[in-house]
Amino acid sequence: AQKITQTQPGMFVQEKEAVTLDCTYDTSDQSYGLFWYKQPSSGEMIFLIYQGSYDEQNATEGRYSLNFQKARKSANLVISASQLGDSAMYFCAMREGQNGANNLFFGTGTRLTVIP
Amino acid sequence: NAGVTQTPKFQVLKTGQSMTLQCAQDMNHNSMYWYRQDPGMGLRLIYYSASEGTTDKGEVPNGYNVSRLNKREFSLRLESAAPSQTSVYFCASSKNPGQGVYEQYFGPGTRLTVT
Repeated sequence: AQKITQTQPGMFVQEKEAVTLDCTYDTSDQSYGLFWYKQPSSGEMIFLIYQGSYDEQNATEGRYSLNFQKARKSANLVISASQLGDSAMYFCAMREGQNGANNLFFGTGTRLTVIP
Repeated sequence: NAGVTQTPKFQVLKTGQSMTLQCAQDMNHNSMYWYRQDPGMGLRLIYYSASEGTTDKGEVPNGYNVSRLNKREFSLRLESAAPSQTSVYFCASSKNPGQGVYEQYFGPGTRLTVT
């Protein structure tokens, strides 16, 4: 079974509007972490935001927020006030367990296009 | 402070040739990782090194070997390249294994084509 599922291959959003990118995960661990990364057309991977499984509040970082619904096993990324520079691939990833290296399992990504 | 660096940026190999991808980080991170990214797929972990002196297999280790040369450097070797290994390879590092944010910092990637 896929550990991370991103069901939206592509999304469009009008500049200055908000957009939600979906992510669901599958794990039996109690301790895990959820990450979102951005990959612009230049190819680098840029860390955006993190949510720990024990964190009671949704994570926020500037215009990025993570809508964490533990019972539904979802960790959606919300980008507010979209900008043209937000056009990129977005990957959701999960780290399981609390020992060992921080191995990440990635979803297949969502390509976001911001329309002027 | 260069972060994570990878060499080369591009490489074309013939089937059966060997090569080593180099990765170095200057952030004093304990853990390092090698991923591959194929079209339409997310990154998949090939090998990782939780700390200097240790290496372990990830999700797709077949056809690869790694060496954690020291705390800074982690190399990936293809002994006999195959067309199925055509991909973009990313090296990453993170502070420590375990809990906490400890996000991974990625290198710029190596685009490898095997003909």
